[in-house]
Amino acid sequence: DVKVTQSSRYLVKRTGEKVFLECVQDMDHENMFWYRQDPGLGLRLIYFSYDVKMKEKGDIPEGYSVSREKKERFSLILESASTNQTSMYLCASSFTPYGYTFGSGTRLTVV
Amino acid sequence: GNSVTQMEGPVTLSEEAFLTINCTYTATGYPSLFWYVQYPGEGLQLLLKATKADDKGSNKGFEATYRKETTSFHLEKGSVQVSDSAVYFCALSDRRNTGNQFYFGTGTSLTVIP
Repeated sequence: DVKVTQSSRYLVKRTGEKVFLECVQDMDHENMFWYRQDPGLGLRLIYFSYDVKMKEKGDIPEGYSVSREKKERFSLILESASTNQTSMYLCASSFTPYGYTFGSGTRLTVV
Repeated sequence: GNSVTQMEGPVTLSEEAFLTINCTYTATGYPSLFWYVQYPGEGLQLLLKATKADDKGSNKGFEATYRKETTSFHLEKGSVQVSDSAVYFCALSDRRNTGNQFYFGTGTSLTVIP
């Protein structure tokens, strides 16, 4: 089975800190994605990448950036964390159009 | 554009009750349709999928049929269990999209009581 591993399950950061969320997949997938999940809003796409060093903005990229230097790793960066970025962050990867594999999520709290 | 609308929750059912969670979609191309499930504290897992009209996806007693004429993909289960308590997400993927982007509904929370 494909595994998508997110480095932290829970994080607490202070306002203004630079935050890195890491995601690694082990099946040579082309496509990787970052979503945030908030009650009543479902999943919203932040950024995605369909190749190394390639990135595309999703629906809510403001306040975030990403890095994909290697195929297996896709990092989400909060340049200056704010309290409205408190959320559950989900990473996913896929090879075909026929299904994502998700990581377990990182619950980030910004205080 | 592409979008998914699913029924509002939360849904509370007694064990062994029949479950239906409605999902309708709008798509510009030729979508594949999915149901994902999220158990408490976990990420999303693929529950079932259908890649073309009239396909039926099934898994763990859940079923959904891809209905192009009604643009729907309703999730059903004949007899729910307490262990089915989770949040269910309907999603579509348009095969023409660059990067294989998915579009998710807002999720429906299901609680099954003994």
